[in-house]
Amino acid sequence: AQTVTQSQPEMSVQEAETVTLSCTYDTSESDYYLFWYKQPPSRQMILVIRQEAYKQQNATENRFSVNFQKAAKSFSLKISDSQLGDAAMYFCAYRSGGATNKLIFGTGTLLAVQP
Amino acid sequence: DSGVTQTPKHLITATGQRVTLRCSPRSGDLSVYWYQQSLDQGLQFLIHYYNGEERAKGNILERFSAQQFPDLHSELNLSSLELGDSALYFCASRGRTGLGPGANVLTFGAGSRLTVL
Repeated sequence: AQTVTQSQPEMSVQEAETVTLSCTYDTSESDYYLFWYKQPPSRQMILVIRQEAYKQQNATENRFSVNFQKAAKSFSLKISDSQLGDAAMYFCAYRSGGATNKLIFGTGTLLAVQP
Repeated sequence: DSGVTQTPKHLITATGQRVTLRCSPRSGDLSVYWYQQSLDQGLQFLIHYYNGEERAKGNILERFSAQQFPDLHSELNLSSLELGDSALYFCASRGRTGLGPGANVLTFGAGSRLTVL
């Protein structure tokens, strides 16, 4: 079975600085997707970024980028120029490319942004 | 607004009762997923429906059931409620397969917060 591990329960960053959140996963599949979701205090789950396993190029979305290391099964999220609005719980998630397509979530990293 | 609508937003009920949570997926999405988020269990997959048919079951209790109707909205029924069922219940819908930024991405509703007293 696939598992997702986030080893950092909490992180803190100064406004305008850069922070990296770690995620590792375990799978024997070759076709899969990886995601980072953000959950602010409103509790809404918001997609931050996604990565297809077959793509070698790391995904980027404005200030958010990933470092996808397929052989190491690592998928870290880098937030540049951190803003107060980035404060939230961040979840790493894995989805098989197969028919089931359910998301498997890590336990989350709570990010605090200091002014 | 994500386009996925969940009602009610908050629900307080007593042990032993039954409740129904409702979800309307984004326009055009055929897949609906239900997740439970609790403090001790994190985000757990419950069940997946595609175009009215059950496709996969996760850690869903026998006291819970779900269905997806012809208009694609879905309902999650929770019965014989226990204190431990208190949680945030999310519905998500999935964009169609294929290419494009929305493909294969789960979009979540705002959740239904259930409190069992």
